[in-house]
Amino acid sequence: QLQLQESGPGLVKPSETLSLTCTVSGGSISSTTYYWGWIRQPPGKGLEWIGTLYYSGSTYYNPSLKSRVTISVDASKNQFSLKLRSVTAADTAVYYCARGNYPKYESLDYWGQGTLVTVSS
Amino acid sequence: DIQMTQSPSSLSASVGDRVTITCRASQSISSHLSWYQQKPGRTPKLLIYAASSLQNGVPSRFSGSGSGTDFTLTISSLQPEDFATYYCQQSYSAPFTFGPGTKIDIK
Repeated sequence: QLQLQESGPGLVKPSETLSLTCTVSGGSISSTTYYWGWIRQPPGKGLEWIGTLYYSGSTYYNPSLKSRVTISVDASKNQFSLKLRSVTAADTAVYYCARGNYPKYESLDYWGQGTLVTVSS
Repeated sequence: DIQMTQSPSSLSASVGDRVTITCRASQSISSHLSWYQQKPGRTPKLLIYAASSLQNGVPSRFSGSGSGTDFTLTISSLQPEDFATYYCQQSYSAPFTFGPGTKIDIK
């Protein structure tokens, strides 16, 4: 059974960098059948797509966050990571990592449990 | 970006009711539409992909339809565990945007 687990600090100061890692178990992050994504959800609000990591190692970022986001992969550890720079209170959210399934029209079929990141001094 | 809208934003319903939620895309997305269920404090769960295909393990009372710009999610007979927020999402063009959600609560 595939599992995804987010990890990282739950509190980040304004203007600093938010760093999260998603560890994938029960499947390979290098499979060509899937892609990997980061999604966030501010408290009480809806879901926002942050960015995508493809099996080739290429990435796509939401234009609204592109100048501040980097997604990278460590295939040897079956992990991928998110860095969001220059954070503000508006970046406070539950951050999810998820798997996108190409045969299922790129839907997100597995999600991590999510981790709340609060931006505050 | 493709904008997704949902209606209604919330609804009250009773156990056993038939419920329909609508999702509309700002441009054609073919059948690249998924539906997710999210309960409070929980992770979103995939219900429907490709507009009408039921994800493994999802009860058959859930169904989806539509193509192009207009889509619906129908729950044929609402069960107590179905009270949640439902999101649509397009995967036709990045960024894969979500609708704002429809919250179903108990009447």
